[in-house]
Amino acid sequence: GNSVTQMEGPVTLSEEAFLTINCTYTATGYPSLFWYVQYPGEGLQLLLKATKADDKGSNKGFEATYRKETTSFHLEKGSVQVSDSAVYFCALDAGGTSYGKLTFGQGTILTVHP
Amino acid sequence: NAGVMQNPRHLVRRRGQEARLRCSPMKGHSHVYWYRQLPEEGLKFMVYLQKENIIDESGMPKERFSAEFPKEGPSILRIQQVVRGDSAAYFCASSPPFGTGDGYTFGSGTRLTVV
Repeated sequence: GNSVTQMEGPVTLSEEAFLTINCTYTATGYPSLFWYVQYPGEGLQLLLKATKADDKGSNKGFEATYRKETTSFHLEKGSVQVSDSAVYFCALDAGGTSYGKLTFGQGTILTVHP
Repeated sequence: NAGVMQNPRHLVRRRGQEARLRCSPMKGHSHVYWYRQLPEEGLKFMVYLQKENIIDESGMPKERFSAEFPKEGPSILRIQQVVRGDSAAYFCASSPPFGTGDGYTFGSGTRLTVV
C-alpha cells in the first residue's frame, strides 16, 4: 500500500536557521506529492506541491524537490521565522484506484524561537 | 467565497452518546472527504462522498460510523455510541470534480472529546 514517512519531531530552531524536514514515500505508479501546514487550532493549508519527478515545488520561501530515485520529497527553507511555527505534513495522492484519497505522514512539529 | 465550513468546532460527548459532525463544502465543490487525526498522528482517510453517493469508505470503521452527503445540506459524519478512542480531530475537505490534492480545501476541523 501507499505510505509516507516523515522525520521524527519536534524540531526546534532559532530564527533565521536553516530548516530541513525529511519525507520519504512508498507508492505504486507516479504519485503527486504535497506539503501541508497546520497552524494551531486551524485546518490544513496546502504549502506546495510537485506532480512529477524532478519537479520543484516552492512557496513562501519553502522548497521541496520530487526525487523519484530516492522516493523523497524533503522540505527546506533557508531562513525560518517565528511565524513558521506549525505542524508540517507530507502527503501523497496516488491517483488511480486511490483517487480522492490522500496519504499523510505523521506530521512534524516545528517551533522557531526568536 | 467562504471556505469549507465545519461545525461545531468543539464537541464534547459522554460515552454512549451520538456525535454528529457537519461539513459544508466550498461553493462549486461537489466532492467531500473526511479525515481523522488522532492525537500525535497524521490524518487518516475515512470516506469520500459525492452528492447522494459514497465513493470510497475504505477508511471508515465497520461499526458505529456512517457518513452522508445529501442532495441538499451539509455532509454529516455520524458516530453512534461514542467511546473514548473516538476522541480526535475530524477534518473535512472538499474539491471540484476530479480534484487532486492541490484542489482540496480543508476545513478547520471538529475536535471531539469523549468523556
